[in-house]
Amino acid sequence: NAGVMQNPRHLVRRRGQEARLRCSPVKGHSHVYWYRQLPEEGLKFMVYLQKENIIDESGMPKERFSAEFPKEGPSILRIQQVVRGDSAAYFCASSPAQGGQPQHFGDGTRLSIL
Amino acid sequence: DAKTTQPPSMDCAEGRAANLPCNHSTISGNEYVYWYRQIHSQGPQYIIHGLKNNETNEMASLIITEDRKSSTLILPHATLRDTAVYYCIVRGHSGNTPLVFGKGTRLSVIA
Repeated sequence: NAGVMQNPRHLVRRRGQEARLRCSPVKGHSHVYWYRQLPEEGLKFMVYLQKENIIDESGMPKERFSAEFPKEGPSILRIQQVVRGDSAAYFCASSPAQGGQPQHFGDGTRLSIL
Repeated sequence: DAKTTQPPSMDCAEGRAANLPCNHSTISGNEYVYWYRQIHSQGPQYIIHGLKNNETNEMASLIITEDRKSSTLILPHATLRDTAVYYCIVRGHSGNTPLVFGKGTRLSVIA
């Protein structure tokens, strides 16, 4: 999948714990997107970030969820006080700065809440 | 909401061409048609995109009607590994807009 690396691939958390999902974009890509796929459903956009800036977070739940893409290091999607409904596959995609380029996806992190 | 309509499922015999249709009757003049696919448990894979001319790459061909209200993705010689959910997405090219996924077409390639 064109070099987007996500880790961990699988993450198990108990209700109330925090989950941190990491995404390293394709080398040279400065735009990162997070999507969520609930079981048996399609992918839904959550948040779009550029380096050190959140551009669009219209798809992100208002509480417990946050995302960052620091100047150095991977993008992080953080879910605080996880609940059973957070169980899903979380996919990260990246694209270069030039507009209109295809997004390339990682293989996702599968989050399971016990 | 997705601006595209696709059949929920299709079958194709191995070695034959798979033709996947997509309706996008409300597409705007500056919006492109993108195709992605998702093989079970993997991330979506970019296939091809186009504006109004037909496009071809090593994976597939994209045929867009003259009025741009519909398109067809063609996999010329389908293999079992092409079994996946195929998503047709309309997207503007001003900036880097997120993708809006619909339900897609589940293509089953049969031996």
